[in-house]
Amino acid sequence: KAGVTQTPRYLIKTRGQQVTLSCSPISGHRSVSWYQQTPGQGLQFLFEYFSETQRNKGNFPGRFSGRQFSNSRSEMNVSTLELGDSALYLCASSAQGANTEAFFGQGTRLTVV
Amino acid sequence: GENVEQHPSTLSVQEGDSAVIKCTYSDSASNYFPWYKQELGKGPQLIIDIRSNVGEKKDQRIAVTLNKTAKHFSLHITETQPEDSAVYFCAASQDFNKFYFGSGTKLNVKP
Repeated sequence: KAGVTQTPRYLIKTRGQQVTLSCSPISGHRSVSWYQQTPGQGLQFLFEYFSETQRNKGNFPGRFSGRQFSNSRSEMNVSTLELGDSALYLCASSAQGANTEAFFGQGTRLTVV
Repeated sequence: GENVEQHPSTLSVQEGDSAVIKCTYSDSASNYFPWYKQELGKGPQLIIDIRSNVGEKKDQRIAVTLNKTAKHFSLHITETQPEDSAVYFCAASQDFNKFYFGSGTKLNVKP
């Protein structure tokens, strides 16, 4: 069974630009969560989608948004990029809803210059 | 919101020794506690988890204990091997896979 696939693996963007990251969950998994990982703040929850609905959201500004498609693939978008958005963005997929095992992808390394 | 604290931040052990990493959480409503191992350049890998209705769980050399009253849980690795070297994260969750992570423990197993 293929794992969680995130694309692209690396991105370099300029301040003010926007970026879209993609996540394909494990086949059959309907829940996708997104996390930001930085050396200073650690792993922080962005949002979670289940069956195309956002069920939970972390404490990030509105520049961070996401969506989920009918095939459970998910995208997250960051608009008006800031230097502080440089981070590893991780997505995790789970089979069900509440608190089942979550499996992470390798992440997308975003660098904002 | 939930606050998860993790100690120590770094841990160095000799191959074959045991390693223990401890976490505390603040919200008694948290009911799911996974542990992840992250190697350089990779995403976190789930290694073991425990739910609030269980006090202890073991999987080969890895075990996790949970004390709900004290709101703390621990990861125990026995007979450590060099390939156990990585950063380990604990997490707590109440619902919908919204995990609050600890700050991580860098484990170094010396051959």
